Amino acid sequence: DVKVTQSSRYLVKRTGEKVFLECVQDMDHENMFWYRQDPGLGLRLIYFSYDVKMKEKGDIPEGYSVSREKKERFSLILESASTNQTSMYLCASSSLSGSTDTQYFGPGTRLTVL
Amino acid sequence: TQLLEQSPQFLSIQEGENLTVYCNSSSVFSSLQWYRQEPGEGPVLLVTVVTGGEVKKLKRLTFQFGDARKDSSLHITAAQPGDTGLYLCAGAPHQGAQKLVFGQGTRLTINP
Repeated sequence: DVKVTQSSRYLVKRTGEKVFLECVQDMDHENMFWYRQDPGLGLRLIYFSYDVKMKEKGDIPEGYSVSREKKERFSLILESASTNQTSMYLCASSSLSGSTDTQYFGPGTRLTVL
Repeated sequence: TQLLEQSPQFLSIQEGENLTVYCNSSSVFSSLQWYRQEPGEGPVLLVTVVTGGEVKKLKRLTFQFGDARKDSSLHITAAQPGDTGLYLCAGAPHQGAQKLVFGQGTRLTINP
């Protein structure tokens, strides 16, 4: 059974703190994604990685960075958390192929920044 | 920038009724996927449509890709409480695209 896991389901942080969100997939997928999900806005792509140490900015990368040191692990970093980063964060992975493959999602991390 | 607009954003109906959710764009997509997200979980793929005019059925759910590959619809027959969730359409901007464009979602509630 394919699996994407995220380090926390719920997280509460204070403004200015550095926040790490981790995602691990067990499907040997090349692609990994970080999205944020806000009501009425759907899923917005923060960063995308298609290989170890490779990354591309998504639609809303400001205030975020990522790290992919191992194929199975993709971390999202909020360098200095702000209240407008309160959101649901979803990680996903997919296979790199000639077609657009299924994205497999983790359960999400609901982050609250106070 | 390619956009996908879903309508309605919210839908609450009684068990046994039929419903249709729409996913529209002014842009052409190579393929379109539909995901369902239940509370506390990530989205899960329901179907992928790749050919203009294609119709796919998944039990009581019928998915259609528009002839021009700019729109799609999801029709549910005899809705059940288990159909409750957030439905997301997602389009591939071109053949082989690794990143998807997501609609804003339709939150569906089926009341017993």
